[in-house]
Amino acid sequence: EAQVTQNPRYLITVTGKKLTVTCSQNMNHEYMSWYRQDPGLGLRQIYYSMNVEVTDKGDVPEGYKVSRKEKRNFPLILESPSPNQTSLYFCASSLARSAYEQYFGPGTRLTVT
Amino acid sequence: EDKVVQSPLSLVVHEGDTVTLNCSYEVTNFRSLLWYKQEKKAPTFLFMLTSSGIEKKSGRLSSILDKKELFSILNITATQTGDSAVYLCAVCYGGATNKLIFGTGTLLAVQP
Repeated sequence: EAQVTQNPRYLITVTGKKLTVTCSQNMNHEYMSWYRQDPGLGLRQIYYSMNVEVTDKGDVPEGYKVSRKEKRNFPLILESPSPNQTSLYFCASSLARSAYEQYFGPGTRLTVT
Repeated sequence: EDKVVQSPLSLVVHEGDTVTLNCSYEVTNFRSLLWYKQEKKAPTFLFMLTSSGIEKKSGRLSSILDKKELFSILNITATQTGDSAVYLCAVCYGGATNKLIFGTGTLLAVQP
């Protein structure tokens, strides 16, 4: 089944404790992206990648890191999480080297206390 | 500043009504405009529009883009309770980049 998977789906952590949210797609997509969704602010792009080893900042990259060592995986790293990073995170992928028809993962609900 | 603005913010209609959702944008180097539907989970893709005046249609949903006036509309005819969701508009833009910016969405509630 073609899909984007994220893990974990839910995470409660404390300020400053490094964490990684994994994202994997099995559709051989070139474009992958991370978003956060907050009430009243909608979906905002954090980072995106147009291909392996090619990543670029979205609108809200501060406090996040990503890597794209393999085509299928695009982990999101929070080196020192803070409460303002409490949010719902989505990973997405698309076939073309652009943000055309994107397939979204199920989301990761992160709470930082 | 690049932005996407959707209106109305929310809408309540009755089954069978026709609704029109609006999306206007201001971005540099427009590439495409996308519509998504979000229920209580991840967004699902509806349409991608790149050319002005060409209507995209899928069942009771249709959408059109006006690149001169910088807006798009999403029409839903004969609404059903299953159409209740947040409808998101997003614009892909950038020269060498492929950034995506979303509007805050329109919350549609269809009452029986």
